[in-house]
Amino acid sequence: GENVEQHPSTLSVQEGDSAVIKCTYSDSASNYFPWYKQELGKRPQLIIDIRSNVGEKKDQRIAVTLNKTAKHFSLHITETQPEDSAVYFCAASLPAGGTSYGKLTFGQGTILTVHP
Amino acid sequence: GAVVSQHPSWVICKSGTSVKIECRSLDFQATTMFWYRQFPKQSLMLMATSNEGSKATYEQGVEKDKFLINHASLTLSTLTVTSAHPEDSSFYICSARGHSGDSYEQYFGPGTRLTVT
Repeated sequence: GENVEQHPSTLSVQEGDSAVIKCTYSDSASNYFPWYKQELGKRPQLIIDIRSNVGEKKDQRIAVTLNKTAKHFSLHITETQPEDSAVYFCAASLPAGGTSYGKLTFGQGTILTVHP
Repeated sequence: GAVVSQHPSWVICKSGTSVKIECRSLDFQATTMFWYRQFPKQSLMLMATSNEGSKATYEQGVEKDKFLINHASLTLSTLTVTSAHPEDSSFYICSARGHSGDSYEQYFGPGTRLTVT
């Protein structure tokens, strides 16, 4: 099955700096890559996603890049703010059709701390 | 739109008893629902995939007789933890996908904190 590796496990930055979190996946058939932000005791919130037919996607301070050849994708947060502090998870999904039903495989998570 | 609810939000039960958790899609029809378990400071681990009107598909290592899943309608899936033990204490989260074949996004419920004493 799919395996997703996420690095780093913890990331500490100063307010205003950029933060980058990287993930690799194992199954070249995966075609959907969402990123989630999770605060303690809360549900994961989708912050950005990308499909395999796109190399880069940006939404204000957040961007995601995908390298299908190398099977890795990254989350970039610019101009970080203290409220960006949370746990971030990457995930990968095989196509929604067929027996996988689009199930997500999550990375291990990154604890991001933004210091004021 | 795309709201998923879970009930209860937290539950405490005694060892050996059973607990039922409900997951509802409030404003869309969910062909597929997923159940995850998350231990403290860990990632979400998929337990099973639930499709309306058919048996759930369990991930390797998840006991189907212990974690009973029923997806009786396009808006409701239930997870019953049978004969719960302290090691089953965890945060259980469901998610739902719409029945559009092109829809990849999953909508997560708020989670249920289960504590088994």
